Amino acid sequence: KAGVTQTPRYLIKTRGQQVTLSCSPISGHRSVSWYQQTPGQGLQFLFEYFSETQRNKGNFPGRFSGRQFSNSRSEMNVSTLELGDSALYLCASSLAGGISLNEQFFGPGTRLTVL
Amino acid sequence: AQSVTQPDIHITVSEGASLELRCNYSYGATPYLFWYVQSPGQGLQLLLKYFSGDTLVQGIKGFEAEFKRSQSSFNLRKPSVHWSDAAEYFCAVGGYGGSQGNLIFGKGTKLSVKP
Repeated sequence: KAGVTQTPRYLIKTRGQQVTLSCSPISGHRSVSWYQQTPGQGLQFLFEYFSETQRNKGNFPGRFSGRQFSNSRSEMNVSTLELGDSALYLCASSLAGGISLNEQFFGPGTRLTVL
Repeated sequence: AQSVTQPDIHITVSEGASLELRCNYSYGATPYLFWYVQSPGQGLQLLLKYFSGDTLVQGIKGFEAEFKRSQSSFNLRKPSVHWSDAAEYFCAVGGYGGSQGNLIFGKGTKLSVKP
């Protein structure tokens, strides 16, 4: 079974631009979560989607948004990029429902650099 | 507030020596606990998890962890470290309240292995 895939793997943008990152979960997984990883703040939860609905959201500004499609693939968007948005963005998928929801499988991440 | 503390930022051990990485959590009920490993430039790989039952859990790559409720700890151990174990290790807790879609991570412990 293929793992979680994320595209692109690397991205360079300039301040003020917007960016869209994509995540394809493991086949059969219906929950997708996004995390931001930086050296200073570590791993921080962005949001979680299930059945095309955002169920949970972390403490990030509204410039960070996401969505999930009917095939469980997910995208996250960051508008008006700031230097501080430079980070590794990780996507994780898990099965739906109950305790299994918490066992998350991570993709390799998208490394975003904002200049 | 829920939190995870990994007291050691960086640990160096000799190849063949034993390893223990510490993790303490703050949580209002029985937590779901995880250890992940991250190699440079990669995503997170699940090493092991604790949901309930036996407090000593076995994981992949020869790792084990012990849940101690009285100490709010979930330390990771390995009897004999291999050079390929050099990586960063993250402890995480999940499943609190109605927010089941996200994990709270510690800041990580970077493991270096001396030949």
